[in-house]
Amino acid sequence: EVQLVESGGGLVQPGGSLRLSCAASGFTSSSYWMHWVRQAPGKGLVWVSGINSDGSRTNYADSVKGRFTVSRDNAKNTLHLQVNSLRAEDTAVYYCVRGEGWPIWGQGTMVTVSS
Amino acid sequence: QAVVTQEPSLTVSPGGTVTLTCGSSTGAVTSGHYPYWFQQKPGQAPKTLIYDTSNKHSWTPARFSGSLLGGKAALTLSGAQPEDEAEYYCLVSYSNAVVFGGGTKLTVL
Repeated sequence: EVQLVESGGGLVQPGGSLRLSCAASGFTSSSYWMHWVRQAPGKGLVWVSGINSDGSRTNYADSVKGRFTVSRDNAKNTLHLQVNSLRAEDTAVYYCVRGEGWPIWGQGTMVTVSS
Repeated sequence: QAVVTQEPSLTVSPGGTVTLTCGSSTGAVTSGHYPYWFQQKPGQAPKTLIYDTSNKHSWTPARFSGSLLGGKAALTLSGAQPEDEAEYYCLVSYSNAVVFGGGTKLTVL
């Protein structure tokens, strides 16, 4: 089955860090751009970051630049998002998405930033 | 970063036709912005309906179509069904980022 499964979310204090992961199965993720998208409770979708197929090019939304780092391990068919210096406004469900048609979305992992 | 705008809400009658639009603060949306359209129902992950302006996935109902209209990307729903009630988001690609619109809540009533 073709799917993306995110993990690594949780409750973290302001200023804390987490490492989100996204495991791809049923297809070779190394052939595609991959993206992270987040959605705060009751709010709209927000693109967070993207990474090209070999990891040599990364892009970030202004709101996370300098705090978040996207990476990938193509040998393990896995995407990561290191999220640092977390703020309350980073509270959201984080989805990973396969690029180029965006046909595959994960189910999301919840990140809650609260003291 | 650019701002992408959508109608906050629209209502369509069952069997009717409605067009959702997606504009960019940088000017006209063109095919070079590779606009996408997504559908999201409560409690579910988004589902991609349209990519690169007008291309459909295998699961996209034929009643949905994408186009460019008056400098905006457009999603037209022809023959609305009750199950089409959902939030719809567009996405526009720029040189180093992609930006979602704020979403359109579509009511079928």
